[in-house]
Amino acid sequence: DVKVTQSSRYLVKRTGEKVFLECVQDMDHENMFWYRQDPGLGLRLIYFSYDVKMKEKGDIPEGYSVSREKKERFSLILESASTNQTSMYLCASSPPGAARELFFGEGSRLTVL
Amino acid sequence: GNSVTQMEGPVTLSEEAFLTINCTYTATGYPSLFWYVQYPGEGLQLLLKATKADDKGSNKGFEATYRKETTSFHLEKGSVQVSDSAVYFCALKNFGNEKLTFGTGTRLTIIP
Repeated sequence: DVKVTQSSRYLVKRTGEKVFLECVQDMDHENMFWYRQDPGLGLRLIYFSYDVKMKEKGDIPEGYSVSREKKERFSLILESASTNQTSMYLCASSPPGAARELFFGEGSRLTVL
Repeated sequence: GNSVTQMEGPVTLSEEAFLTINCTYTATGYPSLFWYVQYPGEGLQLLLKATKADDKGSNKGFEATYRKETTSFHLEKGSVQVSDSAVYFCALKNFGNEKLTFGTGTRLTIIP
């Protein structure tokens, strides 16, 4: 069974803390994505990566950075967490191609106090 | 740019009712279209997809037909069950672009 694993299901952090969200996929997919899910706004793309060490900004990259040192792992970093970054974060992976679907992890719910 | 518009929820239906969730899109070229479902406490999983005009995607009793002339991909099911209660997302992916663009989601609740 294909799997995208996010390291933490629930996190509570304080304003100004540095936060790492980790994601690992076991499908040897080239593409990996970080989305943010908020009620009424759907899913919005933060960053994606189409190869090791390659990254591209999505629609809402401000306040975030990413790291992809190995093909299977894609990390989302909040350098200095703020309360407006309280959200559900979803990681996904896919092989290349317009017809290929994304496979999602179960999500990481982050609360910033 | 690309965008997806889906009917606003929440939608509440009785068990065995007919379901339609509307989805329309704006995109250049010929995108692939997807419906994802998110059950409570879980991530998104693919429900069905269609990759060219007039294709019909189907899974678990759900169907959607890719209508290029109306730029639509409406989700339908003939008889819903309580277990279909979830949030449904319509999405598109354009040729040459690896990113999925999502609609805002529609929360569906089925009551016995």
